[in-house]
Amino acid sequence: GAGVSQSPSNKVTEKGKDVELRCDPISGHTALYWYRQSLGQGLEFLIYFQGNSAPDKSGLPSDRFSAERTGGSVSTLTIQRTQQEDSAVYLCASSNRWMGGVSYNEQFFGPGTRLTVL
Amino acid sequence: KNEVEQSPQNLTAQEGEFITINCSYSVGISALHWLQQHPGGGIVSLFMLSSGKKKHGRLIATINIQEKHSSLHITASHPRDSAVYICAVKETSGSRLTFGEGTQLTVNP
Repeated sequence: GAGVSQSPSNKVTEKGKDVELRCDPISGHTALYWYRQSLGQGLEFLIYFQGNSAPDKSGLPSDRFSAERTGGSVSTLTIQRTQQEDSAVYLCASSNRWMGGVSYNEQFFGPGTRLTVL
Repeated sequence: KNEVEQSPQNLTAQEGEFITINCSYSVGISALHWLQQHPGGGIVSLFMLSSGKKKHGRLIATINIQEKHSSLHITASHPRDSAVYICAVKETSGSRLTFGEGTQLTVNP
C-alpha cells in the first residue's frame, strides 16, 4: 500500500538487549516523526527528521535511544540495553509540505511496533 | 499542569447524540491536530488547523487562537465513532507535537 509501514509489528526482547525498529514513510514525504505510547499513557514525541536538516532529538528519553534516516526515506529507531520501562508502542508518522520553516501538513501514522521488554 | 488539556477524559453517548470534545493549550502554536485512535491502536489524523473551522462529513473542528482553545464536534454520533480522540499542538518554536491525554468516546447503540 501507499501508507506508512513499520516493522516488526511486535517485538519481545530480554532486558539488556538492543532492538531496531524500522519505519518506511510515504514516498515523497520529507518529514518523519517517531513517537512512543506507553500503556495507559498519552503519545510522547521522540525525534523528528526533516529533509537533510539536523534532526530534532529533544524528545529522546536517554542516550540509549538513537535514530537515523538513510537517504531521506527509511528510518531506524535503535534502543540499546533495553529496560522494562521501554515497553511501549512505537509509532512513526510522515508528512509533507514544508513552508517557512514549519511543517503544516497532517501527519500520516504507521501501525506501530509493540515492544515488550521482559 | 499539562501544556495540552482535554476534556472530558471519558464520554459516553447514545447513538445520534451531538458530541463535543474540548482542547485547551497554554503555548503559542502554529497548528493543532485532532487524531483518532481506534481500539486496535491505529491512529488517523482527522484535522489539522491553524485558524477558523474545518468540516469533514459529520466531524467539525474549530479553533480560537486568542483563547487557545479548540473543539471537536461529532454530529449524529454512531457506535463506530467509539475511539480515543487526541488533541496535539505544534508549537511555534520547534518541530515537536505535544499531545493531550486523549478523550475516550463510547457511543452506545
